[in-house]
Amino acid sequence: NAGVTQTPKFQVLKTGQSMTLQCAQDMNHEYMSWYRQDPGMGLRLIHYSVGAGITDQGEVPNGYNVSRSTTEDFPLRLLSAAPSQTSVYFCASSYVVGDYEQYFGPGTRLTVT
Amino acid sequence: TQLLEQSPQFLSIQEGENLTVYCNSSSVFSSLQWYRQEPGEGPVLLVTVVTGGEVKKLKRLTFQFGDARKDSSLLITAAQPGDTGLYLCAGALVNQGGKLIFGQGTELSVKP
Repeated sequence: NAGVTQTPKFQVLKTGQSMTLQCAQDMNHEYMSWYRQDPGMGLRLIHYSVGAGITDQGEVPNGYNVSRSTTEDFPLRLLSAAPSQTSVYFCASSYVVGDYEQYFGPGTRLTVT
Repeated sequence: TQLLEQSPQFLSIQEGENLTVYCNSSSVFSSLQWYRQEPGEGPVLLVTVVTGGEVKKLKRLTFQFGDARKDSSLLITAAQPGDTGLYLCAGALVNQGGKLIFGQGTELSVKP
């Protein structure tokens, strides 16, 4: 199993550009989520999904969209990038939502200039 | 407002010393997880504690969940340079669909 994969590893955007961060898992996990990690702030939940076709907002959803058309894939879309979205983004999955181990991808380091 | 306060944020110690990391909240958690993160990688789960007062040991690491399930601690005894990394606590909020709330993280450096 590849676990949780994320692409790209690094990305530089100009303000106003849009892009999609890709996330895929091959463990048949129902629960998937996106976090951003900023220095001194830990990981903050952006959006999450408890199954295909079901998504919901986390702590910091503004400026981001998600969809979940399959169990495996959970892309994160930046609609109009802003410098405040410069961060490291992690995708995670777990068997079900709740008290279960979350498996994290390797992260995408995004810089918005 | 940080729901889960983790302290200290930075810790630099010598090999062989003991250290404790704390996570505190006013919220009750159904469980609390501890993760370790290496540079350039995603966090990896170390342990999950579920029951108030629960203590779990993982080699030189001892994890404790508070009786009221609002706080947790991580004790590392006889720290080694290989323990260097970012330690994160994460609590699953009660009645919030199990969403995890992360602390700010503790950056640990163990010098030989």
